Amino acid sequence: ETGVTQTPRHLVMGMTNKKSLKCEQHLGHNAMYWYKQSAKKPLELMFVYNFKEQTENNSVPSRFSPECPNSSHLFLHLHTLQPEDSALYLCASRPARTNTQYFGPGTRLTVL
Amino acid sequence: AQTVTQSQPEMSVQEAETVTLSCTYDTSESNYYLFWYKQPPSRQMILVIRQEAYKQQNATENRFSVNFQKAAKSFSLKISDSQLGDTAMYFCALHNAGNMLTFGGGTRLMVKP
Repeated sequence: ETGVTQTPRHLVMGMTNKKSLKCEQHLGHNAMYWYKQSAKKPLELMFVYNFKEQTENNSVPSRFSPECPNSSHLFLHLHTLQPEDSALYLCASRPARTNTQYFGPGTRLTVL
Repeated sequence: AQTVTQSQPEMSVQEAETVTLSCTYDTSESNYYLFWYKQPPSRQMILVIRQEAYKQQNATENRFSVNFQKAAKSFSLKISDSQLGDTAMYFCALHNAGNMLTFGGGTRLMVKP
């Protein structure tokens, strides 16, 4: 256990649904990340938040909308997804003044 | 742009033996960090070991050690006395000044009894 939690662990949704993924850490980390892990592809960085401010958007389609209300919580809002968006979505957090990221267990997303 | 390449998609090793996973990288930065992460079937990505590029001494964590060759841009992971619990995907990653990780494609390691 890294102390980074993600809910739900599994999610099945239709292309017209709206859902949200949640990531939470109470480790005092100040940076949080969303990654997408698809089969047979390297992990892809999606978004980076530093002290609640988005510092990176790695050309992610607008159907993915991140939200970071405070430094302990990170959301990924999903709407009108495509089947190719099916993947494992990983959240990570990083303490200040270090560069080690700690990952959550991931949410397995299936888009029908 | 920086890249990380893991040329071995799959490897296997007998329990108690030693195995080495390869990783090469490319970056234009002089100060960076390298990591090996392990992702077992449970999917939780776990940090195995990290190496600061400015340190010549190879990092070691119990049965895990690295061979860091900065000039060759090579960062291999050696697992000694392999255990069944070492079965997992192993990812090499490069951390840059922008606080972002670039991952390799991963190596699936199977430890056989």
